[in-house]
Amino acid sequence: KAGVTQTPRYLIKTRGQQVTLSCSPISGHRSVSWYQQTPGQGLQFLFEYFSETQRNKGNFPGRFSGRQFSNSRSEMNVSTLELGDSALYLCASSLEGLNNEQFFGPGTRLTVL
Amino acid sequence: QKEVEQNSGPLSVPEGAIASLNCTYSDRVSQSFFWYRQYSGKSPELIMSIYSNGDKEDGRFTAQLNKASQYVSLLIRDSQPSDSATYLCAVLRGSQGNLIFGKGTKLSVKP
Repeated sequence: KAGVTQTPRYLIKTRGQQVTLSCSPISGHRSVSWYQQTPGQGLQFLFEYFSETQRNKGNFPGRFSGRQFSNSRSEMNVSTLELGDSALYLCASSLEGLNNEQFFGPGTRLTVL
Repeated sequence: QKEVEQNSGPLSVPEGAIASLNCTYSDRVSQSFFWYRQYSGKSPELIMSIYSNGDKEDGRFTAQLNKASQYVSLLIRDSQPSDSATYLCAVLRGSQGNLIFGKGTKLSVKP
């Protein structure tokens, strides 16, 4: 079975721009969750999608949004980028949700200049 | 108080020793607890999950949960250099809530 894939792997943007990251889950997995990882704050939960609906949300501003498509693929969007948004963004998929094992993708390294 | 706390380390143990990693959490309604391992430059991968009080063993790994003390630990027996990584404790608030990660403990196993 193919693992979780994320595109792009690296991204450089400037302040004020917006960015869209993509995640393809493991086949059969219906839950996709997103995380931000930084050296200072560690791994932080952004949100979880299940059956095209956002089911859980972490404590991030509204500039961070996402969606899930009928094939379970998910996208995450960050608008009005700030320098502090520079981070590794990880996507994870699981069979049914956060109570199951999360399988992480390789991440997208976002640098905001 | 942080929601999930871990000693950042580094924790250094000799090869063959027992490594003990600890985690405390603040939300009493938390039901599910996970240990993830993250090698440098790689993504986290699940080591153990535990849902009820007591011990759960899987090979060289034992997870221990004490909900009354809001404490979860991971023991690694016969530590190997390949166990050198950062270990992340994760706590699920409620039955389906936010998945909160600790900042991780960096483990170094010396040959």
